[in-house]
Amino acid sequence: GAVVSQHPSWVICKSGTSVKIECRSLDFQATTMFWYRQFPKQSLMLMATSNEGSKATYEQGVEKDKFLINHASLTLSTLTVTSAHPEDSSFYICSARVSGRASDTQYFGPGTRLTVL
Amino acid sequence: GQNIDQPTEMTATEGAIVQINCTYQTSGFNGLFWYQQHAGEAPTFLSYNVLDGLEEKGRFSSFLSRSKGYSYLLLKELQMKDSASYLCATNTGFQKLVFGTGTRLLVSP
Repeated sequence: GAVVSQHPSWVICKSGTSVKIECRSLDFQATTMFWYRQFPKQSLMLMATSNEGSKATYEQGVEKDKFLINHASLTLSTLTVTSAHPEDSSFYICSARVSGRASDTQYFGPGTRLTVL
Repeated sequence: GQNIDQPTEMTATEGAIVQINCTYQTSGFNGLFWYQQHAGEAPTFLSYNVLDGLEEKGRFSSFLSRSKGYSYLLLKELQMKDSASYLCATNTGFQKLVFGTGTRLLVSP
């Protein structure tokens, strides 16, 4: 149980285009999902917290107009990187918190590697 | 503020025991997690400690001392497949995890 999928697993795009990444909880409902970014040899940095049916909460320094998050259902959150630039190239990972578990354990998706040319 | 420190790299030999330390200073604390991450892959959950003491799970054990802001992950009977990064993360409340920079462990034959 507690499987999280991401799509696509990798994407290469031209500078200025937008890229949408999907995060799905496959066998459980996730009222809260999280989006992280990880640069090479660095740790995960939380970008935003995505709550079903409400606006996402962004961490300090993350542009909400550039990284659009939509959490339309209990099993799907999407991250859209708008007008991507080479500096946005990174490994984007989503996670989901299993509702009702006191430990707040997060289960991670397999990640999406974005390369912006 | 949030500050989590781990050693950057460690090396060990197959069959040995290794201890990865983590110290933390966070404005809120609601538990400490250890995750394993292989290169190019997402982290996988290893352990969770919310109370002081040692939690053992097979070859992996995790220890927490809240008064000292200290945790360690103990890996026994090391295998080549244990070569990975090990991430310490604290739950600061509000469901947020703050991750350390990770410790890259290299297991050699």
